[in-house]
Amino acid sequence: DTGVSQDPRHKITKRGQNVTFRCDPISEHNRLYWYRQTLGQGPEFLTYFQNEAQLEKSRLLSDRFSAERPKGSFSTLEIQRTEQGDSAMYLCASSHGGSSYNEQFFGPGTRLTVL
Amino acid sequence: QKEVEQDPGPLSVPEGAIVSLNCTYSNSAFQYFMWYRQYSRKGPELLMYTYSSGNKEDGRFTAQVDKSSKYISLFIRDSQPSDSATYLCAFSDRGSTLGRLYFGRGTQLTVWP
Repeated sequence: DTGVSQDPRHKITKRGQNVTFRCDPISEHNRLYWYRQTLGQGPEFLTYFQNEAQLEKSRLLSDRFSAERPKGSFSTLEIQRTEQGDSAMYLCASSHGGSSYNEQFFGPGTRLTVL
Repeated sequence: QKEVEQDPGPLSVPEGAIVSLNCTYSNSAFQYFMWYRQYSRKGPELLMYTYSSGNKEDGRFTAQVDKSSKYISLFIRDSQPSDSATYLCAFSDRGSTLGRLYFGRGTQLTVWP
């Protein structure tokens, strides 16, 4: 499978715990995005990387959230001291930076439940 | 006012019906207009995109953009049960190198046999 992959697919945690999600983009895609989607809503942008550089962060990304993309390949999203409001689907997408049109391919998401 | 407005539905139609899905937007900087389809518990997948006013057709799907009214539509002809999904409109602004997409909340569609 050459699509965007995310791990784990589901995560249940207790409030106050830290969690980390991983995203593997499509090979040769140099742009990688994180979105959050809550029930009944569309995805909301969190942050964006071009290669290893984090170029934009939404105000939704509080200081409890940190994202990295070492070596410009896979990315991790860590949430510290989770809160019940963090329960959501976390989606990763990637795109080929060479095109003028920014088609983003999404992974299946990681569903987080904070108890 | 939200930048993107989309009626969440739900919308339920019989097989073979023509479906019309719509979004309005307020940001004049939006330059690319997209429709994504999302099946339950899956990530969104791109259906169609366009960057100009007018119609774009792809099989049973037609995307329509009216920039003057800030209104976009997706039409599905001869709808099939396999079209049952949530349809999300999405937009990218003039600074598309920044990458972010702005999504509507999605319209849930059910096509019954």
